[in-house]
Amino acid sequence: DAGVIQSPRHEVTEMGQEVTLRCKPISGHDYLFWYRQTMMRGLELLIYFNNNVPIDDSGMPEDRFSAKMPNASFSTLKIQPSEPRDSAVYFCASSFMLQGGEQYFGPGTRLTVT
Amino acid sequence: DQQVKQNSPSLSVQEGRISILNCDYTNSMFDYFLWYKKYPAEGPTFLISISSIKDKNEDGRFTVFLNKSAKHLSLHIVPSQPGDSAVYFCAASAFNTDKLIFGTGTRLQVFP
Repeated sequence: DAGVIQSPRHEVTEMGQEVTLRCKPISGHDYLFWYRQTMMRGLELLIYFNNNVPIDDSGMPEDRFSAKMPNASFSTLKIQPSEPRDSAVYFCASSFMLQGGEQYFGPGTRLTVT
Repeated sequence: DQQVKQNSPSLSVQEGRISILNCDYTNSMFDYFLWYKKYPAEGPTFLISISSIKDKNEDGRFTVFLNKSAKHLSLHIVPSQPGDSAVYFCAASAFNTDKLIFGTGTRLQVFP
């Protein structure tokens, strides 16, 4: 398996623009997680899905953020409109276990909003 | 409010010596703990875990210790190697949730 795939790897955009980050989880994994990494807060969980259904979106910072998982092999995280403070590395991860199971992370998308 | 805290942002250790990375948590419901390792431009990868029913788990050069009364865990790397230079994240989860709560990470540098 190729592992978790994220695209793009780098995104530079101007404030106010819409940004869409994409993720393909490992086949057979029922859980998908979106994280954001910053120096101050480390790895923050934004939202996670189980069997394509959003379970907990309490980490989504504002209404400008939205995430979808239309099928078991694809998820998107959208920021509209983007702001400079959204600049961070965004990771997608997937797992097949419930509580505490190992999560497999993608390589991340480095987002820079100018 | 950080439920999982890694108070040392960085650590520098000589090759061959022991590296000790520390992690504190505040939520007494946490019962499963993990360490992840992250190289630059890559996603974190799982390193080692421990259940709250144990106080030690060992895997080769890596050992994790859990002190439930102190709500503290540590990762020992012996002997340290230059390839261990990375950022290490501590994570925890509670029995009634699928979520992992991560700390802010500790950057380990192992020098020759």
